[in-house]
Amino acid sequence: KQEVTQIPAALSVPEGENLVLNCSFTDSAIYNLQWFRQDPGKGLTSLLLIQSSQREQTSGRLNASLDKSSGRSTLYIAASQPGDSATYLCAVKGRGGGSQGNLIFGKGTKLSVKP
Amino acid sequence: ETGVTQTPRHLVMGMTNKKSLKCEQHLGHNAMYWYKQSAKKPLELMFVYNFKEQTENNSVPSRFSPECPNSSHLFLHLHTLQPEDSALYLCASSHTGTAMNTEAFFGQGTRLTVV
Repeated sequence: KQEVTQIPAALSVPEGENLVLNCSFTDSAIYNLQWFRQDPGKGLTSLLLIQSSQREQTSGRLNASLDKSSGRSTLYIAASQPGDSATYLCAVKGRGGGSQGNLIFGKGTKLSVKP
Repeated sequence: ETGVTQTPRHLVMGMTNKKSLKCEQHLGHNAMYWYKQSAKKPLELMFVYNFKEQTENNSVPSRFSPECPNSSHLFLHLHTLQPEDSALYLCASSHTGTAMNTEAFFGQGTRLTVV
């Protein structure tokens, strides 16, 4: 059964710092991995999707990497801003059919960027 | 705006009430999902519909009853809920199949409080 872990659970940094959020998963047979952002009481906003054949994806100040063999992904945020404060969720989609192909989420990392 | 719209955004209901949550997507996706998000827990997948057919019921109590009349609309009918059912209910949609981009898009959620 796939399990997704995100470390740390919470992170507080001063504005301008570069930071890394970590995600690990137990079953490397994934189809893709997706990073989301969630503001308090709101839905999820998709940030980046990495296919299993890819090593990284970039969007603006965000860079996500994937090491499928070791079951790890990182989300790098450059030059953090107070507006980046949110909970960041990692989810993996399995390769199998049926329930194995569903998105499995981690608990998220709550990021606070102080001005 | 993600292309997935949920109504209502907030709902307070008594344990004897019957209410429905609605989700609508305009992205041409063929799969729709209901997730439950409770405090300090990962997102829990509740139901999956592919091409209007239910393909996943993740051991959800019968007091939650999903309905998918077409690929663009998804409902969650609620009756005789318990206070522990209070949570943020999120709807998502995506393409399915290995030939498609299966990036998932989420609605803003319905914050449900059962009193």
